[in-house]
Amino acid sequence: GQQLNQSPQSMFIQEGEDVSMNCTSSSIFNTWLWYKQEPGEGPVLLIALYKAGELTSNGRLTAQFGITRKDSFLNISASIPSDVGIYFCAGRVYSGGGADGLTFGKGTHLIIQP
Amino acid sequence: GAGVSQSPSNKVTEKGKDVELRCDPISGHTALYWYRQSLGQGLEFLIYFQGNSAPDKSGLPSDRFSAERTGGSVSTLTIQRTQQEDSAVYLCASTPRTGAGGYTFGSGTRLTVV
Repeated sequence: GQQLNQSPQSMFIQEGEDVSMNCTSSSIFNTWLWYKQEPGEGPVLLIALYKAGELTSNGRLTAQFGITRKDSFLNISASIPSDVGIYFCAGRVYSGGGADGLTFGKGTHLIIQP
Repeated sequence: GAGVSQSPSNKVTEKGKDVELRCDPISGHTALYWYRQSLGQGLEFLIYFQGNSAPDKSGLPSDRFSAERTGGSVSTLTIQRTQQEDSAVYLCASTPRTGAGGYTFGSGTRLTVV
């Protein structure tokens, strides 16, 4: 099955700093998704990417779908305390009617130091 | 409903007992997924329902796990003879149809087997 490597596993940063995390895959995906999970909640979709090379922003967040279709990154600019949480990448290979489960990375735990 | 609803939010059970976890997807969403999230891990795919089709059970870790979806809406995940390694957060998600962008997750059921 597909394997997703997400890094870094955790980040300790100062408020105001920019953040960058990425995911690489052993397989080609045709959809990349980035989620954020806060304590006691389910993951919430931040950005969805559907085309190789696509660069999409959502406020201070920017994500890109790698040209090779095997990687994606998420950047957060000028971090604020509410950015704390676990960020997950997820990829999908849509087989047109077969199993459609997303493959998730193990997450990047973002901690912001005052 | 407005979102994906899961119950109970927390469940503590004794080893060997059976448990049932419930998921109410967003009204009209035909695709429903169960995932398991263990401490410090990513999301592990368990089972997927699409409309009235036979579910994709390929992610279920053992035959102690089963799930059903009645009337194309509410789903129940059952774990028989629970073991300590079953302790995790069980997340349910739904989408309007298979392959349709990102999932909407519920807040999960935190299962603790003692």
